[in-house]
Amino acid sequence: TQLLEQSPQFLSIQEGENLTVYCNSSSVFSSLQWYRQEPGEGPVLLVTVVTGGEVKKLKRLTFQFGDARKDSSLHITAAQPGDTGLYLCAGALRNAGNMLTFGGGTRLMVKP
Amino acid sequence: DTGVSQDPRHKITKRGQNVTFRCDPISEHNRLYWYRQTLGQGPEFLTYFQNEAQLEKSRLLSDRFSAERPKGSFSTLEIQRTEQGDSAMYLCASSATVLGGYTFGSGTRLTVV
Repeated sequence: TQLLEQSPQFLSIQEGENLTVYCNSSSVFSSLQWYRQEPGEGPVLLVTVVTGGEVKKLKRLTFQFGDARKDSSLHITAAQPGDTGLYLCAGALRNAGNMLTFGGGTRLMVKP
Repeated sequence: DTGVSQDPRHKITKRGQNVTFRCDPISEHNRLYWYRQTLGQGPEFLTYFQNEAQLEKSRLLSDRFSAERPKGSFSTLEIQRTEQGDSAMYLCASSATVLGGYTFGSGTRLTVV
């Protein structure tokens, strides 16, 4: 069992649809980050959330950190083919602040 | 600064051979991390350096794996007596702080045949 569980694992949608990806844990994180990864490349940081209940928006992407700092969600509005990729959440545990633990990822495909 | 560089991008080796990968982090970043990622999975932590000191090692890092970061600049990851199960993407990342996020390299894809 992974420390960070992401759901769904796979998502295939049409251009223009909305979607939400979830990242859940029973552990409390001091901060949580979302990354996007394209095939053959390393993950690229999208956002960092630190405060419980925090909401951050990045154009069509909305990130939320749960009140208890155990979970997070990523919502994409009007998805575009360029949003296709592997979305990874990663958390810094409160007693292991030097490294990030990654979830298994959500693979998103947006069809034109 | 051109970001985090990893070399080589791809490596095919025969089982039992030794391989070494190199990572050049962003020069201002004193923290350097190695992760391993298999197909369809998230990255798994291997080891962490702050400057030249190796501060954390995962239990995933068997005695066949060794990492160094001499002088606190570039880092190398060596795998001795490779096994087919070592086939994966090996990712290097650097950061100034955890909150600032990691900057990843493009990875080295290892295939053991």
